[in-house]
Amino acid sequence: NAGVTQTPKFRILKIGQSMTLQCTQDMNHNYMYWYRQDPGMGLKLIYYSVGAGITDKGEVPNGYNVSRSTTEDFPLRLELAAPSQTSVYFCASSYRGLTYEQYFGPGTRLTVT
Amino acid sequence: AQSVTQLDSQVPVFEEAPVELRCNYSSSVSVYLFWYVQYPNQGLQLLLKYLSGSTLVESINGFEAEFNKSQTSFHLRKPSVHISDTAEYFCAVSDRPLLGGSEKLVFGKGTKLTVNP
Repeated sequence: NAGVTQTPKFRILKIGQSMTLQCTQDMNHNYMYWYRQDPGMGLKLIYYSVGAGITDKGEVPNGYNVSRSTTEDFPLRLELAAPSQTSVYFCASSYRGLTYEQYFGPGTRLTVT
Repeated sequence: AQSVTQLDSQVPVFEEAPVELRCNYSSSVSVYLFWYVQYPNQGLQLLLKYLSGSTLVESINGFEAEFNKSQTSFHLRKPSVHISDTAEYFCAVSDRPLLGGSEKLVFGKGTKLTVNP
């Protein structure tokens, strides 16, 4: 199993541009999550999904959108990138809910200038 | 809403010394508690978790954490650390979904453990 894969690894965006961060898992997990990690701030939940077709907002959803059309994929869309979105983004998945371990991808480092 | 406080942002120790990384959470009726570890330039990995039962939980690499309900704490300990334990450690908490909580983890800000030779 590849586990959770994320692309790209690094990206530099100009203010106002948009992009999609890709996340794929091959473990047949129902739950998927997007977090952002800022230095000294821990992880903040952006969006999560409990199954295909079902998504919900986390703590910091503004400026982001998600979709979940398949069990495997959970892309994160940034519209109109802003410097405040400079961060490291992690995708994670788990079999079911919180009693199950979350498996994290390697992260995408995004810089908006 | 839950919140998590990790009291130390950085903890330097010498190899083979004991270490304690502190974690406190806001009071709640019933919670799930987790410690995750992040090695440099990697994603997070689960170290250990408390869901119910024995208040002392252990990991396969010698770490342990004790759930203390009265103190709302879940401190992480290891009696003798190795160079390879150098990493950032995150405490996380969630209300139990079946008791009205959500499927969300709240993470602390992290503690960077540096083990020196």
